[in-house]
Amino acid sequence: DGGITQSPKYLFRKEGQNVTLSCEQNLNHDAMYWYRQDPGQGLRLIYYSQIVNDFQKGDIAEGYSVSREKKESFPLTVTSAQKNPTAFYLCASSTWTSGKREQYFGPGTRLTVT
Amino acid sequence: SQQGEEDPQALSIQEGENATMNCSYKTSINNLQWYRQNSGRGLVHLILIRSNEREKHSGRLRVTLDTSKKSSSLLITASRAADTASYFCATDDAQGAQKLVFGQGTRLTINP
Repeated sequence: DGGITQSPKYLFRKEGQNVTLSCEQNLNHDAMYWYRQDPGQGLRLIYYSQIVNDFQKGDIAEGYSVSREKKESFPLTVTSAQKNPTAFYLCASSTWTSGKREQYFGPGTRLTVT
Repeated sequence: SQQGEEDPQALSIQEGENATMNCSYKTSINNLQWYRQNSGRGLVHLILIRSNEREKHSGRLRVTLDTSKKSSSLLITASRAADTASYFCATDDAQGAQKLVFGQGTRLTINP
């Protein structure tokens, strides 16, 4: 899982509550990403950030918000507007090296909303 | 949007056999990567192949890339039970977008 930590590993919330998922990296990477993974499915990009204080929407940004106040941190808030928030959330970081960009992933947070 | 599509969706073989997974993509790329995910864990980078390369090896892994067909294959030789995982291809964007697009993955099961 490299130098990326996500906490907590499991998170339970009641419907209608906002919840914030933590992602921290000590790899000095410029870019950070949030993905959502549903059972048996691939990864879908929620938001990404290439630099501090800047971020872009991915393919499924509705109902989510992010901030990038520090290079090391990229928290994701799942708002009550997200219709189906129960999923596995993965954070990743990367840097541009020799014309390529590999992503390093955290261990993931499994969010269950009831 | 799904750029990479893996085939097959699931593969079950006996230990010691070779496993081959395929990935197709739609647009021009700079490079294609393969990742592995053990159940309930994060993804781990396996290998990257650049658009000007045709084949690359890393241990028991062999990756090929055919840019004319927009496809790649991942071969795992002499499979082991520990290779049981999901495997994803990921492509970047030749236009320079700072993100990867992942396929749906191939679920590989190695039977002892």
